[in-house]
Amino acid sequence: VQLVESGGGLVQPGGSLRLSCAASGFTFSDFEINWVRQAPGKGLEWVSYITSSGSTMYFADSVKGRFTITRDNAKNSLYLHMNSLGAEDTAVYYCAREGGHDALDVWGQGTMVTVSS
Amino acid sequence: AIQMTQSPSSLSASVGDRVTITCRASQGMRNDLGWYQQKPGKAPNLLIYAASSLQSGVPSRFSGSGSGTDFTLTISSLQPEDFATYYCLQYYSYPKTFGHGTKVEIK
Repeated sequence: VQLVESGGGLVQPGGSLRLSCAASGFTFSDFEINWVRQAPGKGLEWVSYITSSGSTMYFADSVKGRFTITRDNAKNSLYLHMNSLGAEDTAVYYCAREGGHDALDVWGQGTMVTVSS
Repeated sequence: AIQMTQSPSSLSASVGDRVTITCRASQGMRNDLGWYQQKPGKAPNLLIYAASSLQSGVPSRFSGSGSGTDFTLTISSLQPEDFATYYCLQYYSYPKTFGHGTKVEIK
């Protein structure tokens, strides 16, 4: 059971980036998935959620209107589309699976996003 | 949004000590709470779900209790590998919210 994030990097303020999360070892289409981020030296912040079918999404107020979340169950992949990035979005971004009990039970290793000119 | 007040923000303890960390929610949330351990440079690891259920593979020295607004994580006998930062997470309602973390350091 594994989640692997990719797509992070250095982006200029106001820019865009797409993060990916590749799942393996479980039936991806059966599970809701979340994005959680952690700014350098700070705590954890929940960012977004998507249902197993992709029909329902939720976002933190801090990213609402700028980030979108999608998934491709045929490719066992999840995406976070980030627009209008600012310095406050600099963080490690984790994807995390919701287990049967709704807690986030499987996490990826994270991908670093740095917003700087 | 439900606010999670976690305390203490840090503590110093010795190997073998009993350690207690608390999270208080700004409103009732049944038992929809998890506890996570995070070590530097690593992803969080789920210890406890549904406030008191031990995640598979987690040592039995970890336990959780509480319901409604007040929750507790207890480490019965602190081991060297337990020095880390601990977070609570409420998943009762959106937005999901984490506590600010408790850093457990070696005394």
